[in-house]
Amino acid sequence: DGGITQSPKYLFRKEGQNVTLSCEQNLNHDAMYWYRQDPGQGLRLIYYSQIVNDFQKGDIAEGYSVSREKKESFPLTVTSAQKNPTAFYLCASRSRGNYYTGELFFGEGSRLTVL
Amino acid sequence: DQQVKQNSPSLSVQEGRISILNCDYTNSMFDYFLWYKKYPAEGPTFLISISSIKDKNEDGRFTVFLNKSAKHLSLHIVPSQPGDSAVYFCAASGRTNAGKSTFGDGTTLTVKP
Repeated sequence: DGGITQSPKYLFRKEGQNVTLSCEQNLNHDAMYWYRQDPGQGLRLIYYSQIVNDFQKGDIAEGYSVSREKKESFPLTVTSAQKNPTAFYLCASRSRGNYYTGELFFGEGSRLTVL
Repeated sequence: DQQVKQNSPSLSVQEGRISILNCDYTNSMFDYFLWYKKYPAEGPTFLISISSIKDKNEDGRFTVFLNKSAKHLSLHIVPSQPGDSAVYFCAASGRTNAGKSTFGDGTTLTVKP
C-alpha cells in the first residue's frame, strides 16, 4: 500500500536535546512538507521541499532543520533552539503534477513532548 | 495576519440534519480551496476541493460552495452521520504561493445520534 510513514508516533525529549522525526513516502511524490499543529490551531508550515536536494523555509522554520537527500525521505530535526517544541508534527507529500491543486497526503503524525 | 479563518471552533448537529462549516479568506491570490477531515491523533485526509472558476462542487453527501466576491466558502454535509464527527480544516493555495497550502484553525463537528 502506498502512503506516508512517520516515526516515532510518540517522542519525549529533555530540554536542550535535538530530536529527529522520520518521514518516508512510497507515493513517488516530488513535493514533501512538514507541518506543526498546536491545540486549537491549524496546521502551520515549517519546511517544504519540491525536489531532491532542495528545500525552503515555511512560516515557522526557526529552530528546525531538514534534509532531502532522497525522494522518499524528508526528516525533520527539532533543535534545542526551538523554544516551544511540544506539538503534533505532520509530514505530507503531494504529486508535482498537482503542484498546488492536488491534495496533500498526510502521515499519521508524531507527537513530541518536551519534559 | 491569518489568511484563512474558520470562525466557528465547534459545531454540533443532529444525525440526519445538515452540517454547514464556514471558511473565510483574505488573500485574493488564492484560487484553489480544499477541505480536509481529521480524527484525533491521525493525519488529515482530503475530502473535497474547489477551483475559483467554479462556485460549487459536489461529491456524494459533501458539497462545497465558493463565493469569490465575499471570499467565503462553505462545506455542506447532508445528511450528517455520527462518523462525520471530526475536525474539518479549510485550506487555500494559489499559483503564486509556491504550492504551499494555508490552513484555517479547524472546526470540530459533532454529530449526535
